[in-house]
Amino acid sequence: NAGVTQTPKFRILKIGQSMTLQCTQDMNHNYMYWYRQDPGMGLKLIYYSVGAGITDKGEVPNGYNVSRSTTEDFPLRLELAAPSQTSVYFCATGAQINEKLFFGSGTQLSVL
Amino acid sequence: DQQVKQNSPSLSVQEGRISILNCDYTNSMFDYFLWYKKYPAEGPTFLISISSIKDKNEDGRFTVFLNKSAKHLSLHIVPSQPGDSAVYFCAASAQGGSEKLVFGKGMKLTVNP
Repeated sequence: NAGVTQTPKFRILKIGQSMTLQCTQDMNHNYMYWYRQDPGMGLKLIYYSVGAGITDKGEVPNGYNVSRSTTEDFPLRLELAAPSQTSVYFCATGAQINEKLFFGSGTQLSVL
Repeated sequence: DQQVKQNSPSLSVQEGRISILNCDYTNSMFDYFLWYKKYPAEGPTFLISISSIKDKNEDGRFTVFLNKSAKHLSLHIVPSQPGDSAVYFCAASAQGGSEKLVFGKGMKLTVNP
């Protein structure tokens, strides 16, 4: 039982490049979330999903896209990487929207 | 505008003593509160929660107190252990917890042996 798996753990991008951060869960949770954490800051919600085929914007969605074709997977897409997207990204899941969340170990992304 | 505030960025305590981590909120609609703990290079993990119908919730060495009139909650760790050294996030939600969580900036706790 792996829980929430994020890949890659680290990545360096050049400005303007694109990439997809992968998130997979085996907990059969309907709710999935993408957060970013900047140094000295709390977690900011980027996008979330309440089930397969349903996604919605969070607090800081600009520059990102998501899809949710299956219950298990919730990839986060960066189309044109910018230095402001340098951050640690966390994927999380929950059985209900108010349930305690289960987080992946994070992806540290640097855009140079 | 920060709705959940952890005004102290860090706290250092001696092993065996009490650690008190504070959190203030501004949104009067928040009625469900959680604490998460985060070690370096790991994701946050859920620690303890409290609903606004209570003013205290206890789980082993961890107790969360809620003061609704002051819009303040605190996490008490007694006794503190070196393994408690981590960053602690306070989070809040509205609508009985059915709204999305809003996180504070976090506070780094160091427990010295």
